[in-house]
Amino acid sequence: QKEVEQDPGPLSVPEGAIVSLNCTYSNSAFQYFMWYRQYSRKGPELLMYTYSSGNKEDGRFTAQVDKSSKYISLFIRDSQPSDSATYLCAMKTGANNLFFGTGTRLTVIP
Amino acid sequence: DTAVSQTPKYLVTQMGNDKSIKCEQNLGHDTMYWYKQDSKKFLKIMFSYNNKELIINETVPNRFSPKSPDKAHLNLHINSLELGDSAVYFCASSQGSGARNSPLHFGNGTRLTVT
Repeated sequence: QKEVEQDPGPLSVPEGAIVSLNCTYSNSAFQYFMWYRQYSRKGPELLMYTYSSGNKEDGRFTAQVDKSSKYISLFIRDSQPSDSATYLCAMKTGANNLFFGTGTRLTVIP
Repeated sequence: DTAVSQTPKYLVTQMGNDKSIKCEQNLGHDTMYWYKQDSKKFLKIMFSYNNKELIINETVPNRFSPKSPDKAHLNLHINSLELGDSAVYFCASSQGSGARNSPLHFGNGTRLTVT
């Protein structure tokens, strides 16, 4: 079983829709949670970074962490075609090693 | 101005060859990494250096040898390339280590194809 599970999709939504992306994990020692966005032929870029449980909002993006359920989510409001990319969740304990999900491929249709 | 830059961007080579990938970061970070992304987009850490010292060395064949001449550079040398080495290799950097480790900044990857 992988440390981090993520539905690979693909996920297609119409422009303006609310997108929900999720990951589950098995290691209760994870404390730092991230979402990365990866465009085709590019490296992952950090979208959201949260510590422990709770919500964090940044513009159209909201990250949620529920440590009791070992479940994290990323919500994208008013989705745009430019949001079309692969979204990777990532998490770590207090050490350097970052564990990634397999990524969810999102397409926002104009 | 690219923060984490890798060369080459594409690398096509035959089985059995030896090749190197170079990485440089201009962010002033003290920790650098090599990640491998397979065809299913799964990213897995290979190595990490902090201030030129190896701190993470995952289960990677010893044909892969990282080298960090200074804090801003981390190169990856691969001997006797195999078909299964075909993947995208990402370099990344961050500041600090452990719990105070900042989020990773990635380069745009080196797409290695072994024929």
